[in-house]
Amino acid sequence: SYVLTQPPSVSVAPGKTARITCGGNNIGSKSVHWYQQKPGQAPVLVIYYDSDRPSGIPERFSGSNSGNTATLTISRVEAGDEADYYCQVWDSSSDHRWVFGGGTKLTVL
Amino acid sequence: QVQLVQSGAEVKKPGASVKVSCKASGYTFTSYYMHWVRQAPGQGLEWMGIINPSGGSTSYAQKFQGRVTMTRDTSTSTVYMELSSLRSEDTAVYYCARSSSLEWFEYWGQGTLVTVSS
Repeated sequence: SYVLTQPPSVSVAPGKTARITCGGNNIGSKSVHWYQQKPGQAPVLVIYYDSDRPSGIPERFSGSNSGNTATLTISRVEAGDEADYYCQVWDSSSDHRWVFGGGTKLTVL
Repeated sequence: QVQLVQSGAEVKKPGASVKVSCKASGYTFTSYYMHWVRQAPGQGLEWMGIINPSGGSTSYAQKFQGRVTMTRDTSTSTVYMELSSLRSEDTAVYYCARSSSLEWFEYWGQGTLVTVSS
């Protein structure tokens, strides 16, 4: 089964850049998707296909993926970005073919 | 606009079954696969299974095989997820989520809290 590993927490000051990583075996060969989830709300897709943004997602959100690590980058962080972030891949060989990382809590200081 | 509206919270006893609904609107119901994803309290997201609203075919995570059944009603654009033999570990928020591509989840329902408690 494919495993995605995220740091439990990341802290960043307002206006700075936050980077949230997602580790997996040769993850660079897969497409990675990212979700933002605020307390009591459903997840929201913020990045798909490694680096594409859905309509309505600010340009401050970007993604990259290479080797064994994918990264979600949030520039000029705002208080409203405080949330849990999950990476996700589709892995046909896994039982849970749609695999999520454990999530990262982004705290804006 | 695409909307997925789920049924309300449920409280069930261990051993019982629960059936959660997800009514879709704003798009052609039979054109997009629907998934179910759950989230235990304070935990991450877990994929449970997928249904093709067009033909009704399903595929479930092995963990839930034999306990979960996903169905759809094309006349009301609604998908259902039934989970049986409930145990306390099934206490979670259950989400339906539509995929535009096979790989990711573009639209989510608001979630349905299922509490399993004696």
